[in-house]
Amino acid sequence: ETGVTQSPTHLIKTRGQQVTLRCSSQSGHNTVSWYQQALGQGPQFIFQYYREEENGRGNFPPRFSGLQFPNYSSELNVNALELDDSALYLCASSLAQGAGLGFPGPQETQYFGPGTRLLVL
Amino acid sequence: AQKITQTQPGMFVQEKEAVTLDCTYDTSDPSYGLFWYKQPSSGEMIFLIYQGSYDQQNATEGRYSLNFQKARKSANLVISASQLGDSAMYFCAMREGWNQAGTALIFGKGTTLSVSS
Repeated sequence: ETGVTQSPTHLIKTRGQQVTLRCSSQSGHNTVSWYQQALGQGPQFIFQYYREEENGRGNFPPRFSGLQFPNYSSELNVNALELDDSALYLCASSLAQGAGLGFPGPQETQYFGPGTRLLVL
Repeated sequence: AQKITQTQPGMFVQEKEAVTLDCTYDTSDPSYGLFWYKQPSSGEMIFLIYQGSYDQQNATEGRYSLNFQKARKSANLVISASQLGDSAMYFCAMREGWNQAGTALIFGKGTTLSVSS
């Protein structure tokens, strides 16, 4: 058990709808990263939040947005859902020493939640 | 070009045998970290082992060890004494030191490991 929780576990939406996924980070962690994992693929980085600010973004359109709260929990919002958004969404929490710069060490290991499976029909 | 390459889509091993899962990486950053994760069918990614680019010794964690060959840019995971519960997808991932995407991990496509009795 990593202490990272995600809700909901499963979700079914239709094209054009909007969805909000939630993540609670492990106690003591200040960073949450979100990943999208399509079936049979490795996770793809969506974005990361460090101390309530976006700290980096992958190659995802602006309809993917997020928030981080003072308790370091986070939300991922996806607007105008498309069929290709069907995937497992994983959040990971970590303790970043700085805003993503510098020597990566084991203390910055990302610990993942159980994921949310989103199906868009 | 792919940053993390896992060339074995599937591997099969018998219980109690050792198995090596391959991973090669591509980076020009001298500071980077390499990670292995296990993903059972339930979906959760479980952290197994970490190797830093400046680490002089290969990382070990229980039955897991990382065969780090920096010049060849490879970071193979060795699982000793395989157990039935080791059956899962295994992902190699890298975080580069100076990264515009914060501390994002770059993942390979994974290797499915099947352990039989």
